[in-house]
Amino acid sequence: NAGVTQTPKFRVLKTGQSMTLLCAQDMNHEYMYWYRQDPGMGLRLIHYSVGEGTTAKGEVPDGYNVSRLKKQNFLLGLESAAPSQTSVYFCASSQNGHFQPQHFGDGTRLSIL
Amino acid sequence: DAKTTQPPSMDCAEGRAANLPCNHSTISGNEYVYWYRQIHSQGPQYIIHGLKNNETNEMASLIITEDRKSSTLILPHATLRDTAVYYCIVIGGSNYKLTFGKGTLLTVNP
Repeated sequence: NAGVTQTPKFRVLKTGQSMTLLCAQDMNHEYMYWYRQDPGMGLRLIHYSVGEGTTAKGEVPDGYNVSRLKKQNFLLGLESAAPSQTSVYFCASSQNGHFQPQHFGDGTRLSIL
Repeated sequence: DAKTTQPPSMDCAEGRAANLPCNHSTISGNEYVYWYRQIHSQGPQYIIHGLKNNETNEMASLIITEDRKSSTLILPHATLRDTAVYYCIVIGGSNYKLTFGKGTLLTVNP
């Protein structure tokens, strides 16, 4: 039972490059989330989705875009990476509401030089 | 949004119960108390949640005081693998963001 799978696990980018982080869940969950975690800052919500074809901004959406074309996948894009986006990115999903347990992936460690 | 206060660190002997406290004195009537943990270099893991009543699952028990201003997470028989940062979070109503504070670093010693 895979749960929430994030790819890649590690990546190093140069400033200005673009990339897409993939999150896949096999639990048929409606809600999906992207967070970033930085030392001393806790977990911050970037974007979320309440169902296939929907997306919404979270707390720190600038510099990121997302898409939810399929229910099981939630993609996070960085169009022009900046050093401030160096972070650990976590994807999570919940069954069908914000106030239900969220299941997290193991994270993507992204460094931007 | 309700804030939570947790001790920064706690120690527990392997096999003993670990009792992790959390204060949330400004909690609203429609807000839940959630507990997550994060083992080093892994994603957060859901443990348990409750609204008013005490709750128990295969991982832990959650004791919420009658006035709901504080709660305690109990790991009945702590193991070395329970060493992690434990986060107490209040969420509900218009407060839908899962916000992790500093949490409590629980160290289980052999």
